Amino acid sequence: GESVGLHLPTLSVQEGDNSIINCAYSNSASDYFIWYKQESGKGPQFIIDIRSNMDKRQGQRVTVLLNKTVKHLSLQIAATQPGDSAVYFCAENDDSSNTGKLIFGQGTTLQVKP
Amino acid sequence: NAGVTQTPKFRVLKTGQSMTLLCAQDMNHEYMYWYRQDPGMGLRLIHYSVGEGTTAKGEVPDGYNVSRLKKQNFLLGLESAAPSQTSVYFCASSILINEQFFGPGTRLTVL
Repeated sequence: GESVGLHLPTLSVQEGDNSIINCAYSNSASDYFIWYKQESGKGPQFIIDIRSNMDKRQGQRVTVLLNKTVKHLSLQIAATQPGDSAVYFCAENDDSSNTGKLIFGQGTTLQVKP
Repeated sequence: NAGVTQTPKFRVLKTGQSMTLLCAQDMNHEYMYWYRQDPGMGLRLIHYSVGEGTTAKGEVPDGYNVSRLKKQNFLLGLESAAPSQTSVYFCASSILINEQFFGPGTRLTVL
């Protein structure tokens, strides 16, 4: 798979390869993190989430890793498919105010080459 | 179960006109949110509500008002539209600290 640096706006991968999308978060008090996928012309769709008491969580073909020491979140997609082409957003929640508010990153565009 | 729906899907306004965007959810969620999304950017929170009858300001509230008279509905109003409010507007709902469910969006153009 291809590892990307932080804040890279576009990631291009070959179909079948693994993708890694990175995200830096700002608030050390954040206790909930979530990844969304947004296809063109649609609203964001939930992919996977993780709470701060965990450092890894797996779903179907996706894994989220949380490194609280360096405030870093990553989304790994196994065997990337053309249908994975979309913009991916990470978001964090610092719910000290109990509002459920999420703070979104700017997004990374994933392009899957056939 | 329709999830989160938004009305209308598209709208073109002239500067100074007013309009209301409607968001409805059928999941009995307490929390509802209005975001705007501009090209190449993430979502920015305009206003939110933690329950029927309550509203609060988000990151970019200026020029917008909201109301939550019924638990299932969250209305976003533009009293006097400006070109800077051209954007795609998304509504979302959630159960406190969990995933937010998003609607399909309203594409608004202000001329």
